[in-house]
Amino acid sequence: EDQVTQSPEALRLQEGESSSLNCSYTVSGLRGLFWYRQDPGKGPEFLFTLYSAGEEKEKERLKATLTKKESFLHITAPKPEDSATYLCAVQGGTGGFKTIFGAGTRLFVKA
Amino acid sequence: DAGITQSPRYKITETGRQVTLMCHQTWSHSYMFWYRQDLGHGLRLIYYSAAADITDKGEVPDGYVVSRSKTENFPLTLESATRSQTSVYFCASSNKENTEAFFGQGTRLTVV
Repeated sequence: EDQVTQSPEALRLQEGESSSLNCSYTVSGLRGLFWYRQDPGKGPEFLFTLYSAGEEKEKERLKATLTKKESFLHITAPKPEDSATYLCAVQGGTGGFKTIFGAGTRLFVKA
Repeated sequence: DAGITQSPRYKITETGRQVTLMCHQTWSHSYMFWYRQDLGHGLRLIYYSAAADITDKGEVPDGYVVSRSKTENFPLTLESATRSQTSVYFCASSNKENTEAFFGQGTRLTVV
């Protein structure tokens, strides 16, 4: 069964304290892995797409990496405005282009 | 305004009533999706559409009906609302397979 598991469920950081969020996936024939950011009361907002193991993408303080079993979202020197829920999603396997989402990691960054 | 819009933003309905959630996108994206988001479950796909007049079931389709007569609209109907359908519903669209989706602001539905 295709599955996406994110950890930790919640993460509390001090401003400037770098860390990583994990997304483990089980899907055969990965077509794409996506990271989204979701603020309270809003829809998810796209961050990155990764297509193959070894691929990396960066945007400001965020960097996403991909292996054959998991993806990491590295946050370098976070700021309070980085506080949000980060969602990981995959396409592939038996679902074809249907996207399976993880439950998300809630990130809190304190000034 | 360009983008993807959902209406209403908030809705309270009674058990057994029919309710329709609206979704409109201005990009002419081929693919459109309906998700529900519940605590502990993340986003779960209800229905999706690859083009006008083409729809298919997702992970949790029971109790829901969709239609797509025009590319830009993808309404979701709860035929007889139940309390278990209390949730936040998100509509999304994407230009092609294996690409990112763009989400609406969501509709918070409460069934009492």
